[in-house]
Amino acid sequence: DADVTQTPRNRITKTGKRIMLECSQTKGHDRMYWYRQDPGLGLRLIYYSFDVKDINKGEISDGYSVSRQAQAKFSLSLESAIPNQTALYFCATSGGDPKNIQYFGAGTRLSVL
Amino acid sequence: AQSVAQPEDQVNVAEGNPLTVKCTYSVSGNPYLFWYVQYPNRGLQFLLKYITGDNLVKGSYGFEAEFNKSQTSFHLKKPSALVSDSALYFCAVRDIGSWGKLQFGAGTQVVVTP
Repeated sequence: DADVTQTPRNRITKTGKRIMLECSQTKGHDRMYWYRQDPGLGLRLIYYSFDVKDINKGEISDGYSVSRQAQAKFSLSLESAIPNQTALYFCATSGGDPKNIQYFGAGTRLSVL
Repeated sequence: AQSVAQPEDQVNVAEGNPLTVKCTYSVSGNPYLFWYVQYPNRGLQFLLKYITGDNLVKGSYGFEAEFNKSQTSFHLKKPSALVSDSALYFCAVRDIGSWGKLQFGAGTQVVVTP
């Protein structure tokens, strides 16, 4: 089983709809992250969480919200989806030491029509 | 502020030839540097990292990278490329003094032809 699991893997939705992407991990890590990937732009950080009570905005948080339901679960919501939120979304986890690597889920491909 | 540049959108190499993927970085202090690889329909996988010490870092699948502080570079290399190395490669940097945010480059697509 994957250490970092994202659901759904693919999603097509319409403009204005609310959508939630879910992430769960079995690594036992405190830190969790949400990124979006766009061609030619690499990965950009949306939100990050250092523990259940600590949630922070990343560089592109507008239009997104998150919920850290437990140490192992971190959900990303688009309250009212728009077409330019069409992208590949990744969840990642890491330990607290900055030398630690981040472990990524397989991604959710989201299309907003 | 920290930033990463991968100057090549795509690198084409014949199987068996050396492969180099370039990365330069900018941080205010000393860097932690990482390479990740992304295969189609998969998440990013860690390849190798530079934290401190020997400038030549060896990683997974026969890859290595050389840290050059004076040139602020961390190029990824493989002596003999395989078709299965075809993937998207990302360089990432983290300032040692930061809380841990990773800054990713835009990625370089590697195409290895038989």
